[in-house]
Amino acid sequence: QKEVEQNSGPLSVPEGAIASLNCTYSDRGSQSFFWYRQYSGKSPELIMSIYSNGDKEDGRFTAQLNKASQYVSLLIRDSQPSDSATYLCAALRQAGTALIFGKGTTLSVSS
Amino acid sequence: GAGVSQSPSNKVTEKGKDVELRCDPISGHTALYWYRQSLGQGLEFLIYFQGNSAPDKSGLPSDRFSAERTGGSVSTLTIQRTQQEDSAVYLCASSLEVKNIQYFGAGTRLSVL
Repeated sequence: QKEVEQNSGPLSVPEGAIASLNCTYSDRGSQSFFWYRQYSGKSPELIMSIYSNGDKEDGRFTAQLNKASQYVSLLIRDSQPSDSATYLCAALRQAGTALIFGKGTTLSVSS
Repeated sequence: GAGVSQSPSNKVTEKGKDVELRCDPISGHTALYWYRQSLGQGLEFLIYFQGNSAPDKSGLPSDRFSAERTGGSVSTLTIQRTQQEDSAVYLCASSLEVKNIQYFGAGTRLSVL
């Protein structure tokens, strides 16, 4: 079983809409979760980190964590064409060393 | 430097040759990580350094892969007797301390012909 699962997409939304990206994880001991954005041919760039149950907002981005359901999500409000990228969900292993990544969800925002 | 620096950015090699990939972490970051990103496989953890020691090597796919870190700074990932399945982008990340946010370099794209 893959430790972090994401829908590969593509997820297509019109400009200005809300994009919702979802992720589940299997390691109940994981305490830290991250969303990275990766443009084609570029390295992953950190968007959000979340450590506690609930919501965490940063500008147009909101991360949500539900440890009971082992579920992490990322909402992008007022989506822009520049948001078109692959979004990687990652969980920090309980041992606290490696990040375990999902395969990523490709988001396409059309103008 | 301002960010994690990796070299070379691209490497083409013949099957059976050895290659060395270099990572220069963000200044002051004690933890350093190597990942591999293959088509269809996502990002896979290879090895983690705390200072010069590697407490977690669990992701290294075979004994052809090794890595070292010297002076608590630069790290080198070595792949011996490269195989075509080694073709991937090798990414290095560093963090201030273990469990902190990891920042990635631009990666080395390795192509084994």
